Amino acid sequence: KAGVTQTPRYLIKTRGQQVTLSCSPISGHRSVSWYQQTPGQGLQFLFEYFSETQRNKGNFPGRFSGRQFSNSRSEMNVSTLELGDSALYLCASSLVRDTGWGNEQFFGPGTRLTVL
Amino acid sequence: TQLLEQSPQFLSIQEGENLTVYCNSSSVFSSLQWYRQEPGEGPVLLVTVVTGGEVKKLKRLTFQFGDARKDSSLHITAAQPGDTGLYLCAGEMDSNYQLIWGAGTKLIIKP
Repeated sequence: KAGVTQTPRYLIKTRGQQVTLSCSPISGHRSVSWYQQTPGQGLQFLFEYFSETQRNKGNFPGRFSGRQFSNSRSEMNVSTLELGDSALYLCASSLVRDTGWGNEQFFGPGTRLTVL
Repeated sequence: TQLLEQSPQFLSIQEGENLTVYCNSSSVFSSLQWYRQEPGEGPVLLVTVVTGGEVKKLKRLTFQFGDARKDSSLHITAAQPGDTGLYLCAGEMDSNYQLIWGAGTKLIIKP
């Protein structure tokens, strides 16, 4: 079974631009979560989508948005990029269990975004 | 505020030594997951513990969930250079499916 894929793997943008990152989850996984990882702040939760609806949201400004398509693929958009947005953006998919627990995250390799 | 405190933040030891990483919270979790992340890659799930007091072993790694399901530990016996990486714990809340993440322990095992 193919793992989580993210595109692109690397991206360089300048301040003020916008960027769209893509994530394809493991087949059958309906939950997709996005994270920002930086050396200083660690792994920060951005948002989670389940069945095309945003189910949870972290504490990030409205410049960060996302969506999920009917095939569970997800995109994340960052508008008006700032230098501080430079980070590794990770996508993770999960098979949501009926038990309500054990929703392990399967991560993609990430997109390394550099904002100049 | 739901916090999951992980300690130590950084650990550098010699090959063959033992170590323990801790994950503590005041919140009760329905499960606690441990991940390992290597440079340039996403975290990979190592284990999930669900029952209070549960102990799981993965070769030289031993994971324990506290009796009250508020804390967990990861013990590595006879560490090897291949154990080097960032270890992350994540607690799963009953209420909203969201995972609460620890800040991570950066582990370096020197040959």
